[in-house]
This record gives sequence, structure tokens and C-alpha cells, in this order.
Amino acid sequence: DSGVTQTPKHLITATGQRVTLRCSPRSGDLSVYWYQQSLDQGLQFLIQYYNGEERAKGNILERFSAQQFPDLHSELNLSSLELGDSALYFCASSPQTGGLDTQYFGPGTRLTVL
Amino acid sequence: GQNIDQPTEMTATEGAIVQINCTYQTSGFNGLFWYQQHAGEAPTFLSYNVLDGLEEKGRFSSFLSRSKGYSYLLLKELQMKDSASYLCAVPNSGNTPLVFGKGTRLSVIA
Repeated sequence: DSGVTQTPKHLITATGQRVTLRCSPRSGDLSVYWYQQSLDQGLQFLIQYYNGEERAKGNILERFSAQQFPDLHSELNLSSLELGDSALYFCASSPQTGGLDTQYFGPGTRLTVL
Repeated sequence: GQNIDQPTEMTATEGAIVQINCTYQTSGFNGLFWYQQHAGEAPTFLSYNVLDGLEEKGRFSSFLSRSKGYSYLLLKELQMKDSASYLCAVPNSGNTPLVFGKGTRLSVIA
């Protein structure tokens, strides 16, 4: 158990809908990262927040957005969902920021778009 | 940016030793991470190398050669539960904090 929690574990929804994924980092960690992993694809970095501020942005679609709250939990919002958005979405956290910080991953949310 | 290359799949026998290679190209180097990921589960941190040489941690060891842009993960006394994907990752000087390779899927057979 990494100490990172994610809810829900599974989510099934329809095209065009909007969903929110939630992540609580390990106690004391200030950075939260979001990744997407599709079948047979590697981990694709979406976005990072550090202490409430956006820190780095990867290949995140405009239909997706995220935020980090004062208590440091984070939410990833996915809207106008398409079939291709079906994937595992992982959240990771680390104590500080920067590439040298070890990231610890949550159990993931499996999103299925029908 | 970063370019990371790993073999897609490997098979090894229970009790044996296997070496999983990773080559990378990076504009600035800060270290290299190895993660293990069982199918459908979260990646779990295995090791971090920042200096050249071998770092041993129980049955798992990781080696780094910065001049060659090369690392390997060595798994000894293989067990069935070691069947998983092994991901190599390097920090990025660009927008992505950590860039992951596509992973090597290891199958341990009896």
C-alpha cells in the first residue's frame, strides 16, 4: 500500500458524459501527478500540481482539467467523454517536486466509456 | 527530450536470473527509476540510480552507466509473482517531470 488513495476504483459511463476522479496523496506529499494508461500503452503524463498550483503539463486534452485543493487532494475532471478515453487513470504523489522526487502511485481508477 | 527503449517482452524460468535492459537518451541526466507493475495494478517503486554502478536490494539489483545511457534491472531467484511489467523512467528537463518507457513484460514460467 503506497498511501495514495483514489476513488472510485471503477467507473462506467457513456460517451458525452463528464466524470470526476479523486486522489488523496500520501501524508506530507505536496505534489500530485495524473497519468493515463490505455491498453498496450505506456504511462502518459497528464498534469502535475504542487502545493495547489499547476506545475507541469503533459499531453492533457482540453476536455480534461484538474485541480489541487488546500488539503492537497486532487481531482481530475474528464468531460465530453469519448470511447478512446477508456483507460486506467493513475494518480501519484511525491514529497516535493522535480524529476528527482520518487513518485508513489495510487491503485488507479478504471474508466470505461460505452 | 527523452527517448527510452526497453524490450517489449521477456520470458524466464522460475529460480533463474533475468536482466532487463533500458537505454535512454536525455538532454540532462538526473537519475533513472525502475518500477514494477502487475497487470491492472499500480506501478510500484523498485529503485533509483543516480551514480554509475550496481545498487543491490534483495533479489533485485539495478545498474547504471551514465556515459552509455544504459541501465539494467537484474532479478535473481525468479518467482512466479515476479511476472509483471518493468518500467524504466528518467526525469525530464522539459514539461514532463518523469518520462516512462513502455515497459518490459516479464513472464516467469515453471
